[in-house]
Amino acid sequence: EVQLVESGGGLVKPGGSLRLSCAASGFTFSSYSMTWVRQAPGKGLEWVSSISSTYSYIYYADSVKGRFTISRDNAKNSLYLQMNSLRAEDTAVYFCARDRAAFSAAKTFDYWGQGTLVTVSS
Amino acid sequence: DIQMTQSPSSLSASVGDRVTITCQASHDISNYLNWYQQKPGKAPNLLIYDASNLETGVPSRFSGSGSGTDFTFTISSLQPEDIATYYCQQYDNLPRSFGQGTKLEIK
Repeated sequence: EVQLVESGGGLVKPGGSLRLSCAASGFTFSSYSMTWVRQAPGKGLEWVSSISSTYSYIYYADSVKGRFTISRDNAKNSLYLQMNSLRAEDTAVYFCARDRAAFSAAKTFDYWGQGTLVTVSS
Repeated sequence: DIQMTQSPSSLSASVGDRVTITCQASHDISNYLNWYQQKPGKAPNLLIYDASNLETGVPSRFSGSGSGTDFTFTISSLQPEDIATYYCQQYDNLPRSFGQGTKLEIK
């Protein structure tokens, strides 16, 4: 059974940093692109960042470029999102999601974690 | 960037009704479109991929159609468990983008 479990969310002051993790199981993690999607309270879904299975590509939304860094450790079946210079508008539930097809390019997200809440407030 | 516009933003329908949601892309995206269902407090769930393909395990009352800039998502006979917010998502170009969502309620 495919499982994605996010962790690392919490309350952080503006300008602070946080590192999110997503632990994957039930599939060959190293074969799939992975993505972070966020959802501000009461709002819609926003794509944040994607990384290919072998680091051949990394993409960011303009809203986080230069502040967030996506990474993965295929040996640990884990995805990460390092978030620096956090702003109030980064407050959201952050979901990790798997691409539907192996070796695909962050197109279709078939499995999602339950999400982890990041609150940026003084 | 490609903008995705869904309509309506909210919809109230009765059990057994046929429900249709539309999604319009600001540029031609071929059939590079997915539909997701999100129930309150839960993660999104993939229903339709490549505009018209039903994801494994998804009930056949859900369907999708369209190509280019205009897409349609249909529930043929609304069930109580279909109460959720529905999102379209394009993957023709970066940044990937979602529609603003359509909140479906039971009348």
